[in-house]
Amino acid sequence: AQSVTQLDSQVPVFEEAPVELRCNYSSSVSVYLFWYVQYPNQGLQLLLKYLSGSTLVKGINGFEAEFNKSQTSFHLRKPSVHISDTAEYFCAVSSGNKLVFGAGTILRVKS
Amino acid sequence: ETGVTQSPTHLIKTRGQQVTLRCSSQSGHNTVSWYQQALGQGPQFIFQYYREEENGRGNFPPRFSGLQFPNYSSELNVNALELDDSALYLCASTSASTDTQYFGPGTRLTVL
Repeated sequence: AQSVTQLDSQVPVFEEAPVELRCNYSSSVSVYLFWYVQYPNQGLQLLLKYLSGSTLVKGINGFEAEFNKSQTSFHLRKPSVHISDTAEYFCAVSSGNKLVFGAGTILRVKS
Repeated sequence: ETGVTQSPTHLIKTRGQQVTLRCSSQSGHNTVSWYQQALGQGPQFIFQYYREEENGRGNFPPRFSGLQFPNYSSELNVNALELDDSALYLCASTSASTDTQYFGPGTRLTVL
């Protein structure tokens, strides 16, 4: 069974600093990978996805992620965060017809 | 905006009761999935419907059941509610062209 590990439960960072949220997955087959963001009391919003092609994927709100097959990682990055980026971020891998999610990383941006 | 809507937004029930949650998918998305997100956890897959038939199920007991209708709406039914059923229930519709799931805002269920 596929699984996703998000290595940090919380990441505090100052405004305008860069951030990386780490995600590792387990899979022996080709995968589709996703990052979703969840603001308080809301559903999940798609940030970006990797289906195939270029390993560097750009998403909304200035986020990007890099697919690394040899390290089975799909880390999310942003060069300069804003207060409004404070939210919980979920990495997910497709497994047949479902998504398998990690436990989430709470990004706290401080002024 | 994903075009996926859910109702109600919040719901309070007591143990042993039954509940029905509703979802309206984007037009043309003929696959809908339901997820349960307990507090502090990632979403867990409950089941998926494709063209009104169940098309995969996660590790949830039979008291969790669903329906999908031709008008892209769907339901999640939970019988004999337990305290541990308290969670955010998320509905997602899939774009066949992009193989991507788009989520609704969720229904927060509290079981007392």
